[in-house]
Amino acid sequence: GAVVSQHPSWVICKSGTSVKIECRSLDFQATTMFWYRQFPKQSLMLMATSNEGSKATYEQGVEKDKFLINHASLTLSTLTVTSAHPEDSSFYICSARDLRDNSYEQYFGPGTRLTVT
Amino acid sequence: KQEVTQIPAALSVPEGENLVLNCSFTDSAIYNLQWFRQDPGKGLTSLLLIQSSQREQTSGRLNASLDKSSGRSTLYIAASQPGDSATYLCAVRWGTSGSRLTFGEGTQLTVNP
Repeated sequence: GAVVSQHPSWVICKSGTSVKIECRSLDFQATTMFWYRQFPKQSLMLMATSNEGSKATYEQGVEKDKFLINHASLTLSTLTVTSAHPEDSSFYICSARDLRDNSYEQYFGPGTRLTVT
Repeated sequence: KQEVTQIPAALSVPEGENLVLNCSFTDSAIYNLQWFRQDPGKGLTSLLLIQSSQREQTSGRLNASLDKSSGRSTLYIAASQPGDSATYLCAVRWGTSGSRLTFGEGTQLTVNP
């Protein structure tokens, strides 16, 4: 149980275009989903926290108009990178928290590799 | 500022060796601490989660300890195997809500056959 999927697993896009990444909780309901970014040989940096049905909370330094997050249902959150630039190339990982899990454990997706050319 | 530090950044050992990975955190008032494994280009696999009231957790050849007073956790891997090669990340949750994870920069482990 507690599986989180991401789609696509990798994507290449041209500079200036937008790309959408999906994060789904497959066998549980996720009240909260988290989006992380990871640059090569660095750790995960939290970008934003999204709660179902409400606006996402962005970390300091993360542009909310550039990284649009939608969490419209208990099983799906999307991250849209708008007007992507080469410096947005990174590994994006989402995680989800189960309503019923009092330990607040987060389950992580497999990540999406974004390359902007 | 609440920070997580992992030492060493990289470690290479021969197969069969027992090893210890270290994690330190700046604020002892943690909610819980979690160890993850990340293979190259992949997501995270949760290995062990230790609640603030616990001193250690064990799963197979892995043992994680927690010493809140000194702000440290260790991940002990017994009888290492080449398949253990990966990056190991320590992450800490602070506060009563426990919903935000702060990650260390990881230890890249290579187990040589």
